[in-house]
Amino acid sequence: DTEVTQTPKHLVMGMTNKKSLKCEQHMGHRAMYWYKQKAKKPPELMFVYSYEKLSINESVPSRFSPECPNSSLLNLHLHALQPEDSALYLCASSQDQGSYNEQFFGPGTRLTVL
Amino acid sequence: RKEVEQDPGPFNVPEGATVAFNCTYSNSASQSFFWYRQDCRKEPKLLMSVYSSGNEDGRFTAQLNRASQYISLLIRDSKLSDSATYLCVVNTGRRALTFGSGTRLQVQP
Repeated sequence: DTEVTQTPKHLVMGMTNKKSLKCEQHMGHRAMYWYKQKAKKPPELMFVYSYEKLSINESVPSRFSPECPNSSLLNLHLHALQPEDSALYLCASSQDQGSYNEQFFGPGTRLTVL
Repeated sequence: RKEVEQDPGPFNVPEGATVAFNCTYSNSASQSFFWYRQDCRKEPKLLMSVYSSGNEDGRFTAQLNRASQYISLLIRDSKLSDSATYLCVVNTGRRALTFGSGTRLQVQP
């Protein structure tokens, strides 16, 4: 089973709202990732968690706050977003953060900020 | 120079055609290479990893040339369902993936 699930599928929020995106995998993977993808662009890495610890933060604004409650779950907390943050947010996982490991993506959450 | 460069296309080919995509990468220390495919408004899906000796999976063949820092993907006997964006992905040694901007393929009946 190479499934990564994400909820919600779609999210519309105002600039003053607080919301969370959720990601789950049951493949026993120990590395999990958040990416942001704008239309007609490739995914851009935001955060990497390795063994439940934050390993990479690609200088993401603090209005995005990641959390890894356990090895299967990854959250992305959103607060005071801007309209330019509207995008597809993709979660991915891999066996670990080693160079040769393939990443498997969830279906994404399509976020619209009004 | 971008870390991973691809021709954006689109490549418009008839069904049954053979089509090849190329990708170059700038970091000679890059360690692993992948092709992903992404359908419109969907997530990227792993198509194949690319090994030094080259590898084949059905109609798909991937090649790696480390000396030239070049990766290729060959699709034989194109199907309508092959229409998608193909992303060249490289692990550049920062322990995270770097994506090319993608090559769009449109297979026509």
